Amino acid sequence: DGGITQSPKYLFRKEGQNVTLSCEQNLNHDAMYWYRQDPGQGLRLIYYSQIVNDFQKGDIAEGYSVSREKKESFPLTVTSAQKNPTAFYLCASSTVMEGLGYTFGSGTRLTVV
Amino acid sequence: QKEVEQDPGPLSVPEGAIVSLNCTYSNSAFQYFMWYRQYSRKGPELLMYTYSSGNKEDGRFTAQVDKSSKYISLFIRDSQPSDSATYLCAMSEGRGKLIFGQGTELSVKP
Repeated sequence: DGGITQSPKYLFRKEGQNVTLSCEQNLNHDAMYWYRQDPGQGLRLIYYSQIVNDFQKGDIAEGYSVSREKKESFPLTVTSAQKNPTAFYLCASSTVMEGLGYTFGSGTRLTVV
Repeated sequence: QKEVEQDPGPLSVPEGAIVSLNCTYSNSAFQYFMWYRQYSRKGPELLMYTYSSGNKEDGRFTAQVDKSSKYISLFIRDSQPSDSATYLCAMSEGRGKLIFGQGTELSVKP
């Protein structure tokens, strides 16, 4: 079945550590996105990519980095520069015509310990 | 002012009630309108999709778009406890990122 897979489902990070969240899709979608979701704040865009080897900052990119070396994969690294990383992270993908909607992964819950 | 405004709730209704969820927006170029449903600790799933103005019905769900008022609605008839979730509106000009509302948390009590 076609879909988008995020791993791990739960992730714990110590202060000062970098961690990488995985996102893989087999929908042959060109565009991929990373969102952060906090209670009461909706979805906030971190980074997005419309083509391999190219990506753009979203609204809250500080403290995060991404790569897009393959069409299927769009990993997100939460760096130690991100001061408040505890959140629910969602990856999504779409055709270039975003008006047709996004497909979301099931999310990764990141907690700083 | 945000491009898309959605009342975050929470909204609590008894089972069987009619639920009305709403979003307003400011960008008159939006043409594609969507509603996503998100269960707790899950990713959002596309529930309804509408192009331009008008109504669309799917079972107990009806989506309405009024472009003249820049207002969209989602109606849920005969609401069930399984409808308890967060509902997010989203919209797009077509070739651009989706813009999401804040999400409305709905609880349907048995």
